[in-house]
Amino acid sequence: KAGVTQTPRYLIKTRGQQVTLSCSPISGHRSVSWYQQTPGQGLQFLFEYFSETQRNKGNFPGRFSGRQFSNSRSEMNVSTLELGDSALYLCASSSLQSRGGLGTGELFFGEGSRLTVL
Amino acid sequence: QKEVEQNSGPLSVPEGAIASLNCTYSDRGSQSFFWYRQYSGKSPELIMSIYSNGDKEDGRFTAQLNKASQYVSLLIRDSQPSDSATYLCAVNTGFQKLVFGTGTRLLVSP
Repeated sequence: KAGVTQTPRYLIKTRGQQVTLSCSPISGHRSVSWYQQTPGQGLQFLFEYFSETQRNKGNFPGRFSGRQFSNSRSEMNVSTLELGDSALYLCASSSLQSRGGLGTGELFFGEGSRLTVL
Repeated sequence: QKEVEQNSGPLSVPEGAIASLNCTYSDRGSQSFFWYRQYSGKSPELIMSIYSNGDKEDGRFTAQLNKASQYVSLLIRDSQPSDSATYLCAVNTGFQKLVFGTGTRLLVSP
């Protein structure tokens, strides 16, 4: 069974540009989450999608957005890039939609997209 | 106060010893707890989940949860050099929103 696939794996952008990252979840997984990982802040939750609906959002500015398509594939977009947006962006998928309505938290991560902003 | 706290380490143990990793969390209403392992340059992978007070064992790994003390731990028995990694404690606050600790780096020496 193929894992979570993220593209591109590496990218370099300059301040002010925008970037779109793509994520294909494990087949059959309908929940897709996005996380940002930096050495200083660790892993931070960006947002989660299930059946094309954003169910939860982290504490990030509106420059960070995402969407999910009917085939469960997801994209996230960062506009007006800042130096501080340099990070590893991780996508994770999950098979179970709920555990008492909370979701399982059992996530399968992709290899990530490493973004460098110059 | 951070929502999930871990000692950053490194925690150094000799091969064959028991490694004990600890985590505390601030939200008393939390119900789902996880340990993820992250090798250098790799993405996190789930190794244990625990939802009820007590111990949960899976092979060489044992997760322990004490909701009254808001404390989660991971024991790794018979530690191997291949266990050397960063271990991330995480709490599910709803709809797959996991709050992660900053991780404890474990070094297992041969």
